Amino acid sequence: DIRMTQSPASLSASLGETVNIECLASEDIYSDLAWYQQKPGKSPQLLIYNANSLQNGVPSRFSGSGSGTQYSLKINSLQSEDVATYFCQQYNNYPLTFGSGTKLEIK
Amino acid sequence: QIQLVQSGPELKKPGESVKISCKASGYTFTDYAMHWVKQVPGKGLKWMGWINTYTGKPTYADDFKGRFVFSLEASASTANLQISNLKNEDTANVFCARVESSYTYWFAYWGQGTLVTVSS
Repeated sequence: DIRMTQSPASLSASLGETVNIECLASEDIYSDLAWYQQKPGKSPQLLIYNANSLQNGVPSRFSGSGSGTQYSLKINSLQSEDVATYFCQQYNNYPLTFGSGTKLEIK
Repeated sequence: QIQLVQSGPELKKPGESVKISCKASGYTFTDYAMHWVKQVPGKGLKWMGWINTYTGKPTYADDFKGRFVFSLEASASTANLQISNLKNEDTANVFCARVESSYTYWFAYWGQGTLVTVSS
């Protein structure tokens, strides 16, 4: 199975700041990576697919990058509505696997 | 619009069984596979497997072989997950999820989740 190591586990930042969340795959996943946002009590929502493609309707302050085994999600100009837990998911191989999540709070 | 609506929360005792449903609308049900994802409260996401909604063939992740059964009521555009011989560690929120389109493997559509609580 491909292991997805996500960091940091939690993050506190101020409104308007830029934050980065990292995901490290245990092997090359050839950009087969998605990012999701999950707010408390809600189901995950797709933000990014193919490592850097923004899902329709997602604000442009979200962006994804990376290749090989290293990927990141960047949130520019942090807003209060961005408080959530963020997960990465690889789909290069079965079983599909997720990172352990990053809980983002406002300072 | 595309919607996945799941059945309500369940409270069960160890050893009992539970059946969760996921009713799809807004698209042709048999065109896209249905996946199932487990989330222990406050923890991460774990992919359970998927069912081919055209053929009915299920595929289970290794940790979900044996007590877990994916099934369909295609005429009702509904996918089901049955868990038998429930254990305390089955306590979780379970989501159904659909990929964005054919030959994609990211989840653009999710059910609202069904909380299964196993407690004596």
